[in-house]
Amino acid sequence: GAVVSQHPSWVICKSGTSVKIECRSLDFQATTMFWYRQFPKQSLMLMATSNEGSKATYEQGVEKDKFLINHASLTLSTLTVTSAHPEDSSFYICSARMGQGINQPQHFGDGTRLSIL
Amino acid sequence: GDSVTQMEGPVTLSEEAFLTINCTYTATGYPSLFWYVQYPGEGLQLLLKATKADDKGSNKGFEATYRKETTSFHLEKGSVQVSDSAVYFCALSDRARRGSNYKLTFGKGTLLTVNP
Repeated sequence: GAVVSQHPSWVICKSGTSVKIECRSLDFQATTMFWYRQFPKQSLMLMATSNEGSKATYEQGVEKDKFLINHASLTLSTLTVTSAHPEDSSFYICSARMGQGINQPQHFGDGTRLSIL
Repeated sequence: GDSVTQMEGPVTLSEEAFLTINCTYTATGYPSLFWYVQYPGEGLQLLLKATKADDKGSNKGFEATYRKETTSFHLEKGSVQVSDSAVYFCALSDRARRGSNYKLTFGKGTLLTVNP
């Protein structure tokens, strides 16, 4: 149980294009979803947190107009990297959690490797 | 603020060796503690968790005990296998941070390589 599907797993695109990444909870309803960015051989950096039907809460230093997050339903959140540039190349990982309790673990997707040429 | 400190890697062991990965934490409130594992090219998987002092989390032969007095949550396994090769992350979620949806604070990760 508690499967999170992230799509696509790998995307390569030209500079200036926008890229949408989907995160779905397949067998549970995700009250909260999180988006992370991971640089090579480093830990995860939380970008933003979203609750279904609410605006996302962005971490300090993350451009909300650059990284658009939509959490339209209890099973789907999307991250759109707008006008992507080479410095946006990274590994993006989403996670989803059911319920509001602190002891509810986050369940992670397999990540999306984004390469901007 | 909250922070998690893990032992620096990489850690290289032979199969069937004993594993310890140290993890210590600081938290504003009373945290829940987690270990996550990341296999190459994949996202993170929850390995085990402990929600209060003296709790022991265990899974797949891995164990970690929540030690409030030493603010530690060390990961151990008695006999590692080649398939355990991965990056291991210690993390906490702080009860004092309900307004942040109890977001996770991660350590930097420890790369474990197990040789046959």
